[in-house]
Amino acid sequence: QVQLVQSGAEVKTPGSSVKVSCEASGGTFSNFAFSWVRQAPGEGPEWMGRTIPILNIPNYAQKFRGRVTITADESTNTVYMELSSLRSEDTAVYYCARDRYLSSWSFDLWGQGTLVTVSS
Amino acid sequence: QSALTQPASVSGSPGQSITLSCTGTSNDVGGHNYVSWYQQHPGNVPKLLIYEVTNRPSGVSNRFSGSKSGNTASLTISGLQADDEADYYCTSYRDTSSLVFGGGTKLTVL
Repeated sequence: QVQLVQSGAEVKTPGSSVKVSCEASGGTFSNFAFSWVRQAPGEGPEWMGRTIPILNIPNYAQKFRGRVTITADESTNTVYMELSSLRSEDTAVYYCARDRYLSSWSFDLWGQGTLVTVSS
Repeated sequence: QSALTQPASVSGSPGQSITLSCTGTSNDVGGHNYVSWYQQHPGNVPKLLIYEVTNRPSGVSNRFSGSKSGNTASLTISGLQADDEADYYCTSYRDTSSLVFGGGTKLTVL
């Protein structure tokens, strides 16, 4: 059974960066697209961007371009999301999510979520 | 990058059918068939209900169905049950190579 296991909660100060990992265990990794979605407290989800490990070509939501970097390590079946220049509005649960199939743009598998708190 | 438009709240009684709407533009909902719907109970991860406008993943009840007309997609839930009370989000592929979520609809089962 494939699972997406994310790294633990983080507390960061404004202006710093955070890097969240997402390990895909128990199944194929490279032939899927992996997205990052965040959800601020009491808000709806927001798509940040995605990568396809086999192609190593990320694409990002316009809102986050220049601040987010999504990478994949095929040797460890792990996808990473790094967000820089953090501000309080970035406090949210960050999820990784896997496409049903390559470029289906629908997510049938989600990580458990990683709470990132930005506070001085 | 504006979100897709969903009504903030909808309510229905057990056994009823209700329809949730999701309105976008010709650059997303109207121009592509990559519309999905998710159910999210409080504290839980979103669950995929519908993909590619009308398709249900295996294991999802056939009480959930999707459709689209022009720039508006819809999710219909028939035979409403107490456990259907949750937040519902639509998503759509948007030109070029991005995904947009709706603001979400809170469904209350009376």
